[in-house]
Amino acid sequence: QVQLQESGPGLVKPSETLSLTCTVSGGSLSGFYWTWIRQPPGKGLEWIGYVHSSGNAQYKSSLRSRVTIQVDTSQSHFSLILTSVTAADTALYYCARYSPDLAAFDIWGQGAMVTVSS
Amino acid sequence: DIHMTQSPSSLSASAGDRVTITCRASQSIRHYLNWFQQKPGKVPRLLIYGASNLQSGVPSRFSGSGSGTDFTLTISSLQPDDFATYYCQQSFNSPDFGPGTRVEIK
Repeated sequence: QVQLQESGPGLVKPSETLSLTCTVSGGSLSGFYWTWIRQPPGKGLEWIGYVHSSGNAQYKSSLRSRVTIQVDTSQSHFSLILTSVTAADTALYYCARYSPDLAAFDIWGQGAMVTVSS
Repeated sequence: DIHMTQSPSSLSASAGDRVTITCRASQSIRHYLNWFQQKPGKVPRLLIYGASNLQSGVPSRFSGSGSGTDFTLTISSLQPDDFATYYCQQSFNSPDFGPGTRVEIK
């Protein structure tokens, strides 16, 4: 079955750029939206954005100026870039699959903790 | 942006209890409402999609209802494995999650 795995640095300095990759195995990326969701420690879930397998991306309005999500279907992965990070960006970052048929996030990665600190 | 609220923010219940959690959207989202369960230290799990459709593998004691702006998640007979935080999430437009409802042991 389809599995997702996040990877990337666990520590990023303030004002620098956070970069994460989600590798998809066990299935095709075609036809789905590939998503990043984050959860600050002890808090709720926040959708960051997603990218369709065609490359079209949508972002949360409050993050739009700092976020880029890209997909590489040939390599079966997609990525998150978040610029100018602050301590408020410290969170557990999940990648997930959004199924248009269900209109829901049906498969999730295990999450990658990213701490923003000098 | 559509704003999601949930009530209560937390509740205490006993095994065997019937539990109902409410989710409200700031404008109509038709039936584009999903429910997730998250246990401490675990990945969120999709329970209900499209307001009332049970995701594959989810026990039938979970059910969802509603449309427009008001939705409910019901657990017909709470089991020990159900103590968790539950989030609603709208997919009508730019996705957003509710703040969560924590279900604790009484």
